[in-house]
Amino acid sequence: DVKVTQSSRYLVKRTGEKVFLECVQDMDHENMFWYRQDPGLGLRLIYFSYDVKMKEKGDIPEGYSVSREKKERFSLILESASTNQTSMYLCATGRGNTGELFFGEGSRLTVL
Amino acid sequence: DQQVKQNSPSLSVQEGRISILNCDYTNSMFDYFLWYKKYPAEGPTFLISISSIKDKNEDGRFTVFLNKSAKHLSLHIVPSQPGDSAVYFCAARGYQLTFGKGTKLSVIP
Repeated sequence: DVKVTQSSRYLVKRTGEKVFLECVQDMDHENMFWYRQDPGLGLRLIYFSYDVKMKEKGDIPEGYSVSREKKERFSLILESASTNQTSMYLCATGRGNTGELFFGEGSRLTVL
Repeated sequence: DQQVKQNSPSLSVQEGRISILNCDYTNSMFDYFLWYKKYPAEGPTFLISISSIKDKNEDGRFTVFLNKSAKHLSLHIVPSQPGDSAVYFCAARGYQLTFGKGTKLSVIP
């Protein structure tokens, strides 16, 4: 079974803080993704990566950056958290171009 | 612009009856469609998919139908069970996956 582990299930941060969300997968998948889920807006792609040290912007990259130094690890960084970044963040992995993604359990971030 | 639309935010169905969840898309270049299921406080899980060269795919109680001319797909769940209560996301594959906003299904015992 694919295991996608997100470092924190729940976080509370203050406006302006730097936030790191980490994601680790154990199935050697090339592709990794960061989504956010908000009520009424569905899943929106923030960033994705098809290889180590490679990243591409998704639909809503503003205010975020990512890092992929190792194949199994993909980090999402909020340089200066804002209240509109309060959301559920979901990491996903996939192999090739099947479209089938495996998601972590999510990290619920609250920015006060 | 929303390329994948799930126009019903919610749906309630009696246990044992059929649940039909609908999804429309605008981009004719999408070549693969998927449904994901999500329980609260968990990540989405893959449910079923269909290639654009097919019009039906079945897996147990779940069937997905694709009407390319109408750019419409639907997920049928028969019979519906209380454990099917979840949010269902439709997704379409282009350069990357594009998700709809989801439909919350409630199956009433």
